[in-house]
Amino acid sequence: SQQGEEDPQALSIQEGENATMNCSYKTSINNLQWYRQNSGRGLVHLILIRSNEREKHSGRLRVTLDTSKKSSSLLITASRAADTASYFCATDPIDSWGKLQFGAGTQVVVTP
Amino acid sequence: DSGVTQTPKHLITATGQRVTLRCSPRSGDLSVYWYQQSLDQGLQFLIQYYNGEERAKGNILERFSAQQFPDLHSELNLSSLELGDSALYFCASSLEPGRRAFFGQGTRLTVV
Repeated sequence: SQQGEEDPQALSIQEGENATMNCSYKTSINNLQWYRQNSGRGLVHLILIRSNEREKHSGRLRVTLDTSKKSSSLLITASRAADTASYFCATDPIDSWGKLQFGAGTQVVVTP
Repeated sequence: DSGVTQTPKHLITATGQRVTLRCSPRSGDLSVYWYQQSLDQGLQFLIQYYNGEERAKGNILERFSAQQFPDLHSELNLSSLELGDSALYFCASSLEPGRRAFFGQGTRLTVV
């Protein structure tokens, strides 16, 4: 079973628009991470937010974490065609250190 | 380049056979993770090692086994292969459990 569930499953936007995707999870966590995967390739780490943090920025990425709702969001601002990829959230559960579990992912398509 | 090396990149084998997938973690990383990614199951956590010891176990079948050697490289052994084992197998490494993980490019296994 997967710990995180991303929403939406797929997202299609135009260059310059913002893309927002959400992740909900079930158990208490040490941290939550977001990764990107280009078709059939390895996952690339984007950002890690700890359980005691509420918001984090990295370039055009903004991540929020609400531990009371067990949810996180990833915002990509001013999207580019190169942002076309699948985005996954991954949780590091408190009760199972290092069992980094991924959600099903959000497929993002950015059209020029 | 993540620094994580997986071999082979592609593998085609027959049902009932046994294969070994190899992973060399990023220099300095002590933790190694194995994941299976298929279209219908998403990215499934299989197992995690830290400094040679098994630390967390996920949905790993009894036909599958893994180990991490003293030089920290890891191998995933898949035996009595079935058609349903066809998938992308990823290895990832991190400095320690729960830290950002670096993924290899994966081994694409096709069982025919």
